[in-house]
Amino acid sequence: EPEVTQTPSHQVTQMGQEVILRCVPISNHLYFYWYRQILGQKVEFLVSFYNNEISEKSEIFDDQFSVERPDGSNFTLKIRSTKLEDSAMYFCASRAQGVGEQYFGPGTRLTVT
Amino acid sequence: SQQGEEDPQALSIQEGENATMNCSYKTSINNLQWYRQNSGRGLVHLILIRSNEREKHSGRLRVTLDTSKKSSSLLITASRAADTASYFCATDAGANNLFFGTGTRLTVIP
Repeated sequence: EPEVTQTPSHQVTQMGQEVILRCVPISNHLYFYWYRQILGQKVEFLVSFYNNEISEKSEIFDDQFSVERPDGSNFTLKIRSTKLEDSAMYFCASRAQGVGEQYFGPGTRLTVT
Repeated sequence: SQQGEEDPQALSIQEGENATMNCSYKTSINNLQWYRQNSGRGLVHLILIRSNEREKHSGRLRVTLDTSKKSSSLLITASRAADTASYFCATDAGANNLFFGTGTRLTVIP
């Protein structure tokens, strides 16, 4: 069964460094999302992406964040200058046209020290 | 915020019993979805119920939706130890962005 994959599974970085989190959505899906989950808290929407542009973004998704679909398969989330509070599990999700279900990847645990 | 809130926060039952989790939300929705998350893992989609539906079944899962009360419930019948996980409701107001609740931690004791 097709699935969303994410790399790396765990990323440790120092405060102020740039990180890129990578996702490979399900191949025939057209809508892509990033969510994050701070330890012990709820899953929070960050950004949605369709037709090579951002559809919607939350207040969390400030100028430090950016997303890109550099080729036909990858979908990336970049954090330019990480802060301690960016430590969280980051989930990528994708969705097919015309359906509501989103399929989530296993997540990347980002630890900022 | 349209984020849902689940109750109870934690639920512990014996294998074979039924588990019921509730979710409340604040704004109008297009659909409501339930997801499961095993500890430290990703989210697995369980079931979606549209705003014009009142009840939906999938295997041992039964979901109800009351849009007048802005609430939903998830019933897992004949629970198994493998059902132990956190369960989240997520609302979609039409932009297809999901807003998750706080989750219910279900423990099924063998």
